[in-house]
Amino acid sequence: QSALTQPASVSGFPGQSITISCAGTSSDVGSYNLVSWYQQHPGKAPKLIIYEVSKRPSGVSNRFSGSQSGNTASLTISGLQAEDEADYYCCSYAGSGTYVFGTGTKVTVL
Amino acid sequence: QVTLKESGPVLVKPTETLTLTCTVSGFSLSNAGMGVSWIRQPPGKALEWLAHIFSDDEKSYSTSLKRRLTISKDTSKSQVVLTMTNMDPVDTGTYYCARILVNSALDFWGQGTLVTVSP
Repeated sequence: QSALTQPASVSGFPGQSITISCAGTSSDVGSYNLVSWYQQHPGKAPKLIIYEVSKRPSGVSNRFSGSQSGNTASLTISGLQAEDEADYYCCSYAGSGTYVFGTGTKVTVL
Repeated sequence: QVTLKESGPVLVKPTETLTLTCTVSGFSLSNAGMGVSWIRQPPGKALEWLAHIFSDDEKSYSTSLKRRLTISKDTSKSQVVLTMTNMDPVDTGTYYCARILVNSALDFWGQGTLVTVSP
């Protein structure tokens, strides 16, 4: 069960859009529509921002959107804001009741 | 509202067994389709899923840590307990519990508890 692969860092200017990829395999991301995304600010617990690939929990900004193509899922943040600066993690169901997280991406707002 | 809170030792010695408790409120551990997961995060590193237990007592464990982990629940006390045997310094990190929805995601998280493994 290897971690899903994410870019270590992504940056953008305020107002821009950025996309974070989450590469898995046909045993996890590619087999289930069960990818979720979490935002984690320094010293804080992760917060769910996308579930089941593209659904947003109540209260999460519609600037966050998710998608999936084959074995790769993506998180797009549009209209980048200073408060979006954080670490982001993807997570996928990997079969047999197990889950696997991504390697994490640090988003910097320039 | 839904809350989860982790509790347990701050410091454990190598080879000892770690016991962590997650106390939940705002939902019941008997609610169908819900459960509790444990996730950990070494300092400065990524999240790692460890285990979960659902209302029907279905349990799953990380493949790499399965031999060291045991998860259980006490519905009457609204508590989920995780034990990890043979602790090592590499197990140092923040341990989180989170509510998990069947075929969905981890929607509510505890604040986490930092566990240090040192002689």
